[in-house]
Amino acid sequence: DSGVTQTPKHLITATGQRVTLRCSPRSGDLSVYWYQQSLDQGLQFLIQYYNGEERAKGNILERFSAQQFPDLHSELNLSSLELGDSALYFCASSAGEDEQFFGPGTRLTVL
Amino acid sequence: AQSVTQPDIHITVSEGASLELRCNYSYGATPYLFWYVQSPGQGLQLLLKYFSGDTLVQGIKGFEAEFKRSQSSFNLRKPSVHWSDAAEYFCAVGLTDSWGKLQFGAGTQVVVTP
Repeated sequence: DSGVTQTPKHLITATGQRVTLRCSPRSGDLSVYWYQQSLDQGLQFLIQYYNGEERAKGNILERFSAQQFPDLHSELNLSSLELGDSALYFCASSAGEDEQFFGPGTRLTVL
Repeated sequence: AQSVTQPDIHITVSEGASLELRCNYSYGATPYLFWYVQSPGQGLQLLLKYFSGDTLVQGIKGFEAEFKRSQSSFNLRKPSVHWSDAAEYFCAVGLTDSWGKLQFGAGTQVVVTP
């Protein structure tokens, strides 16, 4: 158990819908990262937050957005969902410039 | 272009045999290097990391990796695999100026036979 929690575990929704994925980092970790794992793209970095501020951005679509709240939990919002957004979404956290601890992931299926 | 390459998509190894997984990167500077393991239905677990210093790094579960600057490689090894080592292994790279933005290789699926 990495100490990073993600909810929900599974999410099934339809095209065009909007969903929110939630992540609670390890106690004391200020950085939160979001990654997408799909069969065709592999593991891709989406975005990083540090203590509430956006720190780095990767291949994140404009339909996707994220935020980190004062209690340090983070949410990834995915809107206007397409079939190709079906993937495993991981959250990771770290204390600083050190190893990232990954959560168990949220499996999103868009029908 | 910056890239991380894991040349072997799939490796089959007998239990008790040695294992080596290859990872090559293409970056201008020496990056931070990581190996993660993902068991079916699980998240990623860090096996080991290299930031600087000794180029031979020891990790958890009996794994080690060697950083070779001249070959831009960071290969993962285990002298004797166990059935529980069957999983997918990912090499990842972080740059010193944006280290948190990990770039992952495509992964190597390891199958362990009796």
